[in-house]
Amino acid sequence: DIQMTQSPSTLSASVGDRVTITCRASQSISTWLAWYQQKPGKAPKLLMYKASTLESGVPSRFSGSGSGTEFTLTISSLQPDDIATYYCQQYKNYSPPYTFGQGTKLEIK
Amino acid sequence: QEQLVQSGAEVKRPGSSVKVSCRASGATFSTYAISWVRQAPGQGLEWMGRIVPFLDITNYAQRFQGRVTITADKSTSTAYMELSSLRSEDTAVYFCARDANPRVLDSWGQGTLVTVSS
Repeated sequence: DIQMTQSPSTLSASVGDRVTITCRASQSISTWLAWYQQKPGKAPKLLMYKASTLESGVPSRFSGSGSGTEFTLTISSLQPDDIATYYCQQYKNYSPPYTFGQGTKLEIK
Repeated sequence: QEQLVQSGAEVKRPGSSVKVSCRASGATFSTYAISWVRQAPGQGLEWMGRIVPFLDITNYAQRFQGRVTITADKSTSTAYMELSSLRSEDTAVYFCARDANPRVLDSWGQGTLVTVSS
């Protein structure tokens, strides 16, 4: 199976900061990557798919980039509502099995 | 956005089975797959498997092969995930999610807590 590694595991930042989370795949997945945001006690929410396509309704301060094995999720100006855990997920060629990164917990400094 | 409605919390004994349901709209069942993802307390997300109801195709994660069965009732637009030979490590919240190319898991159920305890 394809392994996904996120970094950092925890990130502390201030409101207004530019924040970047990295996700690496153990083999090339082209742009078959999604990002999710999860708040405590809630289901995950899709933010981005195909590495850089913003899901409808998601604020434009979120952006995604990358292809192959290295990907990033960027929040251009951190807002209090962005405090959550973020997960990447590969779905190479839309063919199971899917795998998630271990998550990045974003905290306010 | 699709609303997926899951069954309520369960408490099970080790060695038993649990069956969790996920009700979707008819349109979803005729167009999308349904994936199941679980999350142990304080842990990350783990994909378990999926079903494509209109093709009767299932795929499972290797680590759950032989223990998980995902089915779908097209007459009620309800998907089911049954996990057998339960152990304490299976204590988790189980989510269903609508699954489509390319937006993959774009709508999620509210989650079902399964507690395995003697």
